[in-house]
Amino acid sequence: EAQVTQNPRYLITVTGKKLTVTCSQNMNHEYMSWYRQDPGLGLRQIYYSMNVEVTDKGDVPEGYKVSRKEKRNFPLILESPSPNQTSLYFCASRTTGLGNNEQFFGPGTRLTVL
Amino acid sequence: AQSVSQHNHHVILSEAASLELGCNYSYGGTVNLFWYVQYPGQHLQLLLKYFSGDPLVKGIKGFEAEFIKSKFSFNLRKPSVQWSDTAEYFCAVLAYSGAGSYQLTFGKGTKLSVIP
Repeated sequence: EAQVTQNPRYLITVTGKKLTVTCSQNMNHEYMSWYRQDPGLGLRQIYYSMNVEVTDKGDVPEGYKVSRKEKRNFPLILESPSPNQTSLYFCASRTTGLGNNEQFFGPGTRLTVL
Repeated sequence: AQSVSQHNHHVILSEAASLELGCNYSYGGTVNLFWYVQYPGQHLQLLLKYFSGDPLVKGIKGFEAEFIKSKFSFNLRKPSVQWSDTAEYFCAVLAYSGAGSYQLTFGKGTKLSVIP
């Protein structure tokens, strides 16, 4: 089954404690990205990657890091989380370019930073 | 930069009412267009998509959308909503953003509440 997986699904942590949210896709997609979703603000892109070892900032990259060492994995790293990073996070993947390239989303990670 | 506007933040309808959610985008070139749905507590799922050809596209669960190029619009419609359609709906546009890359831009979403 084609899917994007994320772990953990729920996480409560404290300010300053480094965390990583993993993301993996099994569709051999070149493009992967991370979004955060907050009430009234819709989906905002944090970082994206067009291929292995190629990453770029999205609209709200401050406080986040990513890496793309393998095509299937795209972890999101919060080196020093703060309460304003409390949010619902989605990983997504798709092929590049125009054409039959719908974006697939992971199930989401609800993060609470105390 | 391209932008996507969804006109309604929250729509409340009774069951069996007809639905139309507006979506306009700002990019003038070739685009791919999508509507995603997010049911409460779930992730985004594809409702329908337009790449080329017939501008009237049909999706799952009786939804359809019409691409009107001259109006830069891709409105979502359903003739008769059900309580189970209660969800948030996102319009998205994929367009060329320069340097060989294509950017997918989302609207802010429209929350639909259907009253039994």
